[in-house]
Amino acid sequence: AQSVTQPDIHITVSEGASLELRCNYSYGATPYLFWYVQSPGQGLQLLLKYFSGDTLVQGIKGFEAEFKRSQSSFNLRKPSVHWSDAAEYFCAVVGTNAGKSTFGDGTTLTVKP
Amino acid sequence: GAVVSQHPSWVICKSGTSVKIECRSLDFQATTMFWYRQFPKQSLMLMATSNEGSKATYEQGVEKDKFLINHASLTLSTLTVTSAHPEDSSFYICSARKSNSGRGGAEQYFGPGTRLTVT
Repeated sequence: AQSVTQPDIHITVSEGASLELRCNYSYGATPYLFWYVQSPGQGLQLLLKYFSGDTLVQGIKGFEAEFKRSQSSFNLRKPSVHWSDAAEYFCAVVGTNAGKSTFGDGTTLTVKP
Repeated sequence: GAVVSQHPSWVICKSGTSVKIECRSLDFQATTMFWYRQFPKQSLMLMATSNEGSKATYEQGVEKDKFLINHASLTLSTLTVTSAHPEDSSFYICSARKSNSGRGGAEQYFGPGTRLTVT
């Protein structure tokens, strides 16, 4: 069975500081990996995805993520956080055969002025 | 684009009544749609997978008779919460997968969600 762990429930960073949100997955092979962002009362917006190839993936809003097979991780990063980045972030894994998404529990990002 | 809409965005209903939520893929065909439930401050929980023209596949613990899913066309799936009770109050989100998109079919496009409040 596939699973996703986001170890940090809540992270607070100052505006302009760098950010890293952790994501670890469990799957028998290399899955498809996604990061989504959700603002309160809204649906999910895709930030970036990894299917194969280059392990450093660029996304929207200045986000990037790095797939590390040896660590079963897909951490999300941003060099300089903006106040508008405050939201809930979800990491998700999709198995290459079953096709269902499994989401992590999410990380709440608070940005201090 | 790949836009998914949900209607209504917000609904209040009385206990014992039924409510229908629509999920539409506006600019693509979706053989498969997914229905999720999200409680406050929690993650998305997959309720069921909806395939056009066939019965939905429900996740363990989800009551089929309570959460009726109909995927009547390649652009529309509906979720009907029957005999709703206050504990059914939640945020329901649908997603859609493009038909015939190969590996890219792993990607889901999410609707904006429907807030259901049962009084």
